[in-house]
Amino acid sequence: EVVLVESGGGLVQPGGSLRLSCAASGFTFSTKGINWVRQAPGKGLEWISYISTTGSSIYYADSVKGRFTISRDNAKNSLFLQMNSLRAEDTAVYYCATSWGLDYWGQGTLVTVSS
Amino acid sequence: DVVMTQSPLSLPVTLGQPASISCRSSQSLVHSDGNTYLNWFQQRAGQSPRRLINKVSYRESGVPDRFSGSGSGTDFTLKISRVEAEDVGIYYCMQATHWPRTFGPGTKVDIK
Repeated sequence: EVVLVESGGGLVQPGGSLRLSCAASGFTFSTKGINWVRQAPGKGLEWISYISTTGSSIYYADSVKGRFTISRDNAKNSLFLQMNSLRAEDTAVYYCATSWGLDYWGQGTLVTVSS
Repeated sequence: DVVMTQSPLSLPVTLGQPASISCRSSQSLVHSDGNTYLNWFQQRAGQSPRRLINKVSYRESGVPDRFSGSGSGTDFTLKISRVEAEDVGIYYCMQATHWPRTFGPGTKVDIK
């Protein structure tokens, strides 16, 4: 069974930084690209980043480009999202989801950006 | 970016009756590899999204056969043949042909 567990969310001040993690199990992690998707409170889904199996291909949404960095550690079956220069509009539940087609999702971790 | 639109945004349905959600993209979703990467997701209250349909019409394992997807190019449809109480939630279409990936605004399905 594919299991994805996000962690690292919390309350951070505007301009601050946070690092999210996604721990994967139940599949061969190194064979799947992984995405980050977020959902602001009461709003729809927003795709924000993708990293390929080896990290050789990375994509970002314009809304986070230059501020967020996606990375992965295949030896530790883990995905990361380094978030810098956080803004109030980054407040959301952040999900990791596997593959081009987002076939499996984690339960999400809440990031709140507020003073 | 590819803009995804859905209609209706709210869909009250009678139990046992059919429901249909339309999704349109601002560009063709036919990939250079010949596939059309249009997916449908269901999100129940308080839960993570769950993929129901991939590549327009391929139902995920465990998804009831009352759900079906169809369409091509820029026009797509998700149909529920007979709505059950457990189908209440928000349904999103998403294109995975172009970067960045984009979602529709969501269609809220509830029971009349």
